[in-house]
Amino acid sequence: QQQVKQSPQSLIVQKGGISIINCAYENTAFDYFPWYQQFPGKGPALLIAIRPDVSEKKEGRFTISFNKSAKQFSLHIMDSQPGDSATYFCAAWGGLTFGEGTQLTVNP
Amino acid sequence: DADVTQTPRNRITKTGKRIMLECSQTKGHDRMYWYRQDPGLGLRLIYYSFDVKDINKGEISDGYSVSRQAQAKFSLSLESAIPNQTALYFCATSDPRTGSGGYTFGSGTRLTVV
Repeated sequence: QQQVKQSPQSLIVQKGGISIINCAYENTAFDYFPWYQQFPGKGPALLIAIRPDVSEKKEGRFTISFNKSAKQFSLHIMDSQPGDSATYFCAAWGGLTFGEGTQLTVNP
Repeated sequence: DADVTQTPRNRITKTGKRIMLECSQTKGHDRMYWYRQDPGLGLRLIYYSFDVKDINKGEISDGYSVSRQAQAKFSLSLESAIPNQTALYFCATSDPRTGSGGYTFGSGTRLTVV
């Protein structure tokens, strides 16, 4: 049973556009929600994370929006760049549980 | 040198063969993990170890075994490989002192079972 569901599975965005990836979780005991970025041939690396006591966290062009009542959180990449092309995983901590991943392609 | 090193990077093996994937880390972390990545399924936990004497099954441990030889070394074995174990395998470490997000992943081992 997938405890963290992620969508879309793939996403194509034009350079300068906004990329949005959504995740939903089931277990209300989860208390930390990181996003990982994975480039081809590399392992995932922590990108940004949020705790459920805040509704939004921003780091540069990357923003997490968190809706505790809906048990949903999303990653927004503003001014998307070709270098952002990668696979993105949301995760939830209670033992780290990953979403299915989103392959983002940013066209020049 | 990488903080978490996995060997081999790529491996093709035949059905029924025993194979070992190795992981070593220089982070000094007590906690180590083995994950499997499949397209559309994300990363799924195979086994984890919180210290040298501690081994725990993850959600998909069937067909796999592990050995924690030292704080820095954690090996994953497939006793009798089968084609549906073809996947990308990642080792990771974490430090509980840095909180839930302090995971460091290796670069992965791409395993193909033919």
